[in-house]
Amino acid sequence: SQQGEEDPQALSIQEGENATMNCSYKTSINNLQWYRQNSGRGLVHLILIRSNEREKHSGRLRVTLDTSKKSSSLLITASRAADTASYFCATDSYPNFGNEKLTFGTGTRLTIIP
Amino acid sequence: EPEVTQTPSHQVTQMGQEVILRCVPISNHLYFYWYRQILGQKVEFLVSFYNNEISEKSEIFDDRFSVERPDGSNFTLKIRSTKLEDSAMYFCASSEGTSGSFHNEQFFGPGTRLTVL
Repeated sequence: SQQGEEDPQALSIQEGENATMNCSYKTSINNLQWYRQNSGRGLVHLILIRSNEREKHSGRLRVTLDTSKKSSSLLITASRAADTASYFCATDSYPNFGNEKLTFGTGTRLTIIP
Repeated sequence: EPEVTQTPSHQVTQMGQEVILRCVPISNHLYFYWYRQILGQKVEFLVSFYNNEISEKSEIFDDRFSVERPDGSNFTLKIRSTKLEDSAMYFCASSEGTSGSFHNEQFFGPGTRLTVL
């Protein structure tokens, strides 16, 4: 079964710096999604990148996908204290019929130091 | 902006009791899911639901678990004979399920924290 693994497990940076988190997975996918979770709270959808896309932007977020290496990265630019949270990647499986279970990674705990 | 809602936010129950967790998915979505997250662990898939039937379920979703869409808006997860190890955060999610699209975001609710004593 596929499995997402993020690294690093924890990351602390100064406010204003950029934060990069990585995700690896094992099997072919249709999509990869990134989510944010504040401590003890729900999962907030950040961005979906398709398997035929290499890069996608949304505000201060930039996601890349390398299907040959089965890896993705999430870059948060100009970090803010409010970005402090855990970040998870989640993958579906290929082939699928449009709506399949997501397999989540272990997450990166990001701390922004004011 | 439409969102998935869940009630209650926190449920405490005695081992062996039955609980029902409730979710209201986004109104035009067609696919519904339950996931759980044991404290400090990964988010795990439980079940997906489409067209009034289960599409897929995980090994966690044993015969104590059931799902139902009793009306046009609610989606429920029932756990019978609860065990200590059922203690977790339970998330409901929904996706649009656009015909012909394989690229559907899943949107999650805020979760119900279930504590089994």
